[in-house]
Amino acid sequence: DVKVTQSSRYLVKRTGEKVFLECVQDMDHENMFWYRQDPGLGLRLIYFSYDVKMKEKGDIPEGYSVSREKKERFSLILESASTNQTSMYLCASSPLFGVGEKLFFGSGTQLSVL
Amino acid sequence: TQLLEQSPQFLSIQEGENLTVYCNSSSVFSSLQWYRQEPGEGPVLLVTVVTGGEVKKLKRLTFQFGDARKDSSLHITAAQTGDTGLYLCAGAPSGTYKYIFGTGTRLKVLA
Repeated sequence: DVKVTQSSRYLVKRTGEKVFLECVQDMDHENMFWYRQDPGLGLRLIYFSYDVKMKEKGDIPEGYSVSREKKERFSLILESASTNQTSMYLCASSPLFGVGEKLFFGSGTQLSVL
Repeated sequence: TQLLEQSPQFLSIQEGENLTVYCNSSSVFSSLQWYRQEPGEGPVLLVTVVTGGEVKKLKRLTFQFGDARKDSSLHITAAQTGDTGLYLCAGAPSGTYKYIFGTGTRLKVLA
């Protein structure tokens, strides 16, 4: 089975800190995604990557950046954390873009910014 | 911009009742998928619908893709407490690689 591992389950940071959220997948998937999940808003796409060193903005990229130096690892960076970035962050991976592709998710990181 | 709107947002029903959840968009999708998410976990894929008008059944769950491929529905027959969870529709609008999710429907089935 595909495993997508997020480095932290819970994280508490202070306003202004630089925050790194790490995600690793073990199935050689081409695509990786970062979403944030807030009540009533579903999952909103922050960034995605379809190859090493390639990235595309999602719907809400402001305040975030990403890094994909190796195929299996996709990092989400909050350059200067703010309280409105308190949220559940979910990482996902999928094999290739195509009709009916399936996303595999990690268990999420609940980030609190104080 | 939320391209996939789900309704209702919340649903609380008794065991044995039927229910339908809707997923609507103004955009055309090459396929739509339905996921279920339980507390503390990431979403897990239930089904993919690809062809306009397609109907798929998964035990007591029936999924339909609209003829114009802009909407989908999930119908649950004789709901059970194990159906409790957050249901999400998802897909990439045709011509894009942006894989987006709907706003979600939180279902609670009471014994």
